[in-house]
Amino acid sequence: AQTVTQSQPEMSVQEAETVTLSCTYDTSESNYYLFWYKQPPSRQMILVIRQEAYKQQNATENRFSVNFQKAAKSFSLKISDSQLGDTAMYFCAFSRNDYKLSFGAGTTVTVRA
Amino acid sequence: DVKVTQSSRYLVKRTGEKVFLECVQDMDHENMFWYRQDPGLGLRLIYFSYDVKMKEKGDIPEGYSVSREKKERFSLILESASTNQTSMYLCASSLLGLAAADTQYFGPGTRLTVL
Repeated sequence: AQTVTQSQPEMSVQEAETVTLSCTYDTSESNYYLFWYKQPPSRQMILVIRQEAYKQQNATENRFSVNFQKAAKSFSLKISDSQLGDTAMYFCAFSRNDYKLSFGAGTTVTVRA
Repeated sequence: DVKVTQSSRYLVKRTGEKVFLECVQDMDHENMFWYRQDPGLGLRLIYFSYDVKMKEKGDIPEGYSVSREKKERFSLILESASTNQTSMYLCASSLLGLAAADTQYFGPGTRLTVL
């Protein structure tokens, strides 16, 4: 089974500032996919960003970007210009290029006004 | 937009009861999933279905069964609910088949309490 580790259970950030969430994973595969999902309070989980391991360029989606370090097996998420609506639990997930996702324990992010 | 709906947001059941959790998706997705979410453990896969009447066990299938009679509907069944099955249950669906790391679309979740 793949292991995904999110070492920060909770993080707090001031509105408009930047926060970085860490994620490490363990795999012997060379091709795989990594995801960050966001679960706002009492709302549905949605995909934030996705990275394919064979692509060296880091994925970005508006204010969300990742720092993918394949050799270090690290996949951090940076949220720039944090907004109150970014308050949520964030899950890092790994897939070996099949249907199955392995999730980390999650990081709760609170954006303070 | 993909919509995944779950029959209940909150459910309270007694130990030993048979419990049905229903999930419906409206985008003709091939794959459907049931997860349970517990604090500090993230999401763990209970069962997966890749076609009507087809299913595979996930990481924690014990105490659960599933049914997929129609493509859009995937049911999770707790044959005899126990207190250790108190949890948040999330349904998800994805478009592509077995060999693809496709985006999963989640329902709002059912918070089940077993007394």
